[in-house]
Amino acid sequence: AQTVTQSQPEMSVQEAETVTLSCTYDTSESDYYLFWYKQPPSRQMILVIRQEAYKQQNATENRFSVNFQKAAKSFSLKISDSQLGDAAMYFCAYRRVHFFGNEKLTFGTGTRLTIIP
Amino acid sequence: DTGVSQDPRHKITKRGQNVTFRCDPISEHNRLYWYRQTLGQGPEFLTYFQNEAQLEKSRLLSDRFSAERPKGSFSTLEIQRTEQGDSAMYLCASSQQGASNNEQFFGPGTRLTVL
Repeated sequence: AQTVTQSQPEMSVQEAETVTLSCTYDTSESDYYLFWYKQPPSRQMILVIRQEAYKQQNATENRFSVNFQKAAKSFSLKISDSQLGDAAMYFCAYRRVHFFGNEKLTFGTGTRLTIIP
Repeated sequence: DTGVSQDPRHKITKRGQNVTFRCDPISEHNRLYWYRQTLGQGPEFLTYFQNEAQLEKSRLLSDRFSAERPKGSFSTLEIQRTEQGDSAMYLCASSQQGASNNEQFFGPGTRLTVL
């Protein structure tokens, strides 16, 4: 079974600084997707960024980028120029590639990110 | 389309009562997922529908839980004889098979409190 581990329950960063959230995972699959989701307080979960395992290039979305190390099974999220609106729970998630079937997400336990003004 | 919606947003019930939650997915999405999120944890998969067929259930889904998706549109999740351990946020997500990235879109969740 696949597992996702986030070892940082809480992180804080000064506004406008850079922060990196860590995630490791375990799988025997060779093709899969990895995601970072953001869950603001009392609001719904939204996708921040995703990475296909077959792509060597790290994904980027504006201020958000990942460091994907497939051999080490590591998938960290870097947030640059942190803003107050970035405060939220961040979940790392794994999804197998199963075009005709269940593509359920397996989540880590989350990292609560606080932005210090 | 306004995204995935869930009703109610909050439910407080007494132990032993039955509760039912509803999820309305994005209209063109044929896949629907239910997840449960307890305090301090990430969401955990409960069950999956493709159109109207329930194709997989987690071992977390005891016999007291039942889910349906009639006509492949909205879905309901019913919990019978609720227990305090059922207190959690119940999340629904939908996706479209064959879409460029099969992204799952989440609803706001139903927070259940069992007294």
